[in-house]
Amino acid sequence: KQEVTQIPAALSVPEGENLVLNCSFTDSAIYNLQWFRQDPGKGLTSLLLIQSSQREQTSGRLNASLDKSSGRSTLYIAASQPGDSATYLCAVSYNQGGKLIFGQGTELSVKP
Amino acid sequence: DAGVIQSPRHEVTEMGQEVTLRCKPISGHNSLFWYRQTMMRGLELLIYFNNNVPIDDSGMPEDRFSAKMPNASFSTLKIQPSEPRDSAVYFCASSEGGIRLYEQYFGPGTRLTVT
Repeated sequence: KQEVTQIPAALSVPEGENLVLNCSFTDSAIYNLQWFRQDPGKGLTSLLLIQSSQREQTSGRLNASLDKSSGRSTLYIAASQPGDSATYLCAVSYNQGGKLIFGQGTELSVKP
Repeated sequence: DAGVIQSPRHEVTEMGQEVTLRCKPISGHNSLFWYRQTMMRGLELLIYFNNNVPIDDSGMPEDRFSAKMPNASFSTLKIQPSEPRDSAVYFCASSEGGIRLYEQYFGPGTRLTVT
């Protein structure tokens, strides 16, 4: 069964810390992987997309890496800010233009 | 672009009533997805369309759920009759290939409450 797991489920850090969120997937034959952010009561905002042939993608203070062979991805957030507080979701697709399979998310709280 | 548009944003209905959720994908996107989010099960795909054709409806819970995409700019998800266990947030998403690499963009969701 194709499953996505995110660890930890919740994380609280002081402002300014660098942090890493983890995502693992059981079937390594992915087409691509997306990281999303979800604010309470809101929709999902796409942060980064990594194709299966790529090792990492960067956007501002965010860096996502992909190790397909081990079935893992990490989202690195540098110099965290209170505005980064949200739930971060990892999702994988196994087909071109196909559905996403989501992890349960990591709820991040950055304290001022 | 306006992004993915969903309506209504909130819906409260009584058990047994018909509910219709609507979605307008991003112009030019050729894939449309309906997902459901609950505390217990997280985000799960219900159905998706490619070029207006249903490709995978394996996530549709049962015959009470149906989805249509009559044209490239509009889709509906209908629940008839609705039940309390259908209470959830329903998201619509769209994507396209080419330089967009099938990155999925989500709408704001419809929060459905069935009493």
